[in-house]
Amino acid sequence: NAGVTQTPKFQVLKTGQSMTLQCAQDMNHNSMYWYRQDPGMGLRLIYYSASEGTTDKGEVPNGYNVSRLNKREFSLRLESAAPSQTSVYFCASRDPGGGANYGYTFGSGTRLTVV
Amino acid sequence: AQRVTQPEKLLSVFKGAPVELKCNYSYSGSPELFWYVQYSRQRLQLLLRHISRESIKGFTADLNKGETSFHLKKPFAQEEDSAMYYCAPSLLGNFNKFYFGSGTKLNVKP
Repeated sequence: NAGVTQTPKFQVLKTGQSMTLQCAQDMNHNSMYWYRQDPGMGLRLIYYSASEGTTDKGEVPNGYNVSRLNKREFSLRLESAAPSQTSVYFCASRDPGGGANYGYTFGSGTRLTVV
Repeated sequence: AQRVTQPEKLLSVFKGAPVELKCNYSYSGSPELFWYVQYSRQRLQLLLRHISRESIKGFTADLNKGETSFHLKKPFAQEEDSAMYYCAPSLLGNFNKFYFGSGTKLNVKP
C-alpha cells in the first residue's frame, strides 16, 4: 500500500518554463489537495478536489492549474514558473466519507526551485 | 477571515521537561481539529485529532472553545519528539478543507 505518491521529488526550473507535478493515491480517497510549504508560512492550500470531476481554489491558486484526472490522480501544473514558486509542494488525500474525523495522508513532497 | 495561529516558531526544551505547543483559531463554532507532525526528512503525518480524544506518543490536545485554543501537550518531552508541529482546524462549514498554522519547531535538548 503506497499511500500517496508524488513525482518528481526534486526539480529545478528556469523562469518561464512549465511543468506538471504528479500525484496519485491508492486508498480510494475522494478528496485530494495540493499545498505549498514555505519557511515561516507553514502549509498553504493551493487547490483541492473534493471529489472526482471537481476542483476548487485554495488560499494561493494564482500561477497554478490542476487536473483531477480520475479518482486516483490529481496533478498540479505551473504554466510559467516564477522564482516566487520556489517551494516544497505536498499532495494529500483524505476520505471525508466518515465525516470530519479523518485527517490527511500526505505524499513525500516535491522540492521545486525556480531560477 | 478564519485564521489559525501558532505563536511560537521555535520551542526549545530539555529532555524530560513538559512541553506545550500553542494553537489558537480565530473563528467560533466547532471546527474539527488536528495536529500534524513532520520529522526531519519525513513526510507530514497525522499526530492526533480532537474528536478521538487520543493520546499519541504521549501527546494530548485539549480543545478550549472559550479561548478557541487547541494546545498540544506532553508531560515529559523526549529527544525523538524534535520535529515541526502543525495545527490544522477545518474550515467552518467545510470539513473538506483544512488550513494549517505556520508551524512550531520543537527542539528537545539532551
